[in-house]
Amino acid sequence: GESVGLHLPTLSVQEGDNSIINCAYSNSASDYFIWYKQESGKGPQFIIDIRSNMDKRQGQRVTVLLNKTVKHLSLQIAATQPGDSAVYFCAESGGQAGTALIFGKGTTLSVSS
Amino acid sequence: DAGVIQSPRHEVTEMGQEVTLRCKPISGHNSLFWYRQTMMRGLELLIYFNNNVPIDDSGMPEDRFSAKMPNASFSTLKIQPSEPRDSAVYFCASSLDRSGYTFGSGTRLTVV
Repeated sequence: GESVGLHLPTLSVQEGDNSIINCAYSNSASDYFIWYKQESGKGPQFIIDIRSNMDKRQGQRVTVLLNKTVKHLSLQIAATQPGDSAVYFCAESGGQAGTALIFGKGTTLSVSS
Repeated sequence: DAGVIQSPRHEVTEMGQEVTLRCKPISGHNSLFWYRQTMMRGLELLIYFNNNVPIDDSGMPEDRFSAKMPNASFSTLKIQPSEPRDSAVYFCASSLDRSGYTFGSGTRLTVV
């Protein structure tokens, strides 16, 4: 079936380190991808997105890489801070999903100072 | 912009009761989505609307669940009768076509 998954359920890093969160997707027809951050008790918050005509996009301290050949997405966070501690989700859209976003199960990022 | 507004934030109800969750999307957005989040199943798409028309309700778990969008600024998700396994956080999100996806703060539903 179509699904979006993450390689690791938890990731622990030290403050100041760079973090890399990975995501594998199975729907080759997906053409739009978003990374979300969810803090406890809150809704998912948009971090960065990328469309399938790109393989890299940078934001403030974050970079998303897309490898369509192996259907892999990653989120890189530079100089990770304690405030980055949260659950991170990748989501895909396109193909049979239409305009809807289909989410993976999430990776919990823990940043220790 | 006030963002996507959901109400109530918390709902505790007894098994068998009807529950109605409400959502006000961002003004100008033409797509609205209902998701359910649990520890076991993560974020599941229940149903979504484009221009107030239901497009895909294949994620609605049972006939006990129904959703409406009578106009561009309001949607409801109803569970009747509610069961303890319906306990979850329900999120509403809206977008303009395939951009600007924004989530509300969610409704935490507890059915006892």
